[in-house]
Amino acid sequence: AQSVAQPEDQVNVAEGNPLTVKCTYSVSGNPYLFWYVQYPNRGLQFLLKYITGDNLVKGSYGFEAEFNKSQTSFHLKKPSALVSDSALYFCAVRASYGDSWGKLQFGAGTQVVVTP
Amino acid sequence: EAGVAQSPRYKIIEKRQSVAFWCNPISGHATLYWYQQILGQGPKLLIQFQNNGVVDDSQLPKDRFSAERLKGVDSTLKIQPAKLEDSAVYLCASSLQAGGRHNEQFFGPGTRLTVL
Repeated sequence: AQSVAQPEDQVNVAEGNPLTVKCTYSVSGNPYLFWYVQYPNRGLQFLLKYITGDNLVKGSYGFEAEFNKSQTSFHLKKPSALVSDSALYFCAVRASYGDSWGKLQFGAGTQVVVTP
Repeated sequence: EAGVAQSPRYKIIEKRQSVAFWCNPISGHATLYWYQQILGQGPKLLIQFQNNGVVDDSQLPKDRFSAERLKGVDSTLKIQPAKLEDSAVYLCASSLQAGGRHNEQFFGPGTRLTVL
């Protein structure tokens, strides 16, 4: 079975400071990893994904994520946070083969609060 | 490109009543998903369609929930009768295909259901 853990319910950061949102996963075989963001009363918006290749993945709105196979982590980062980055962030994993192939498993989400 | 459309955006019903949600995926997307997102949790997959066939409905409470995608385009999710614990946001998503490397899912705005 596949699973995702986002250990922090909330991350608080001052505008202009670096932002990190943590994610660890468990899946059989090679993972496909995703980050989504959700603004109030909106659906989830795709930020970035890791499929294969370079461990550092760049996505929308200046976000990037680093895949670390040995630590089974896929932390989301942004060098300089904006107040408008305040939202709910979800990490998700999908198996590349097997019974769970194609099925996306989400973490519980991390609320990011960026203060001016 | 138009996104995933859902209606209604909000619905309030009393327990034991029936309710239906509608979703129109992105044009050309073969795979359609319905998720349930309870407050404070990540989305949980209820059912996945590939064209008009069901791929995965293992987490759909089939005694009260039903879904169809008769012509392989738009879809309807129904709850009959509703329970208090069904209060959640119901998200519809679509992707070009079910698996593979490039099947990021695109989400609609969701329907917020409140059961009183």
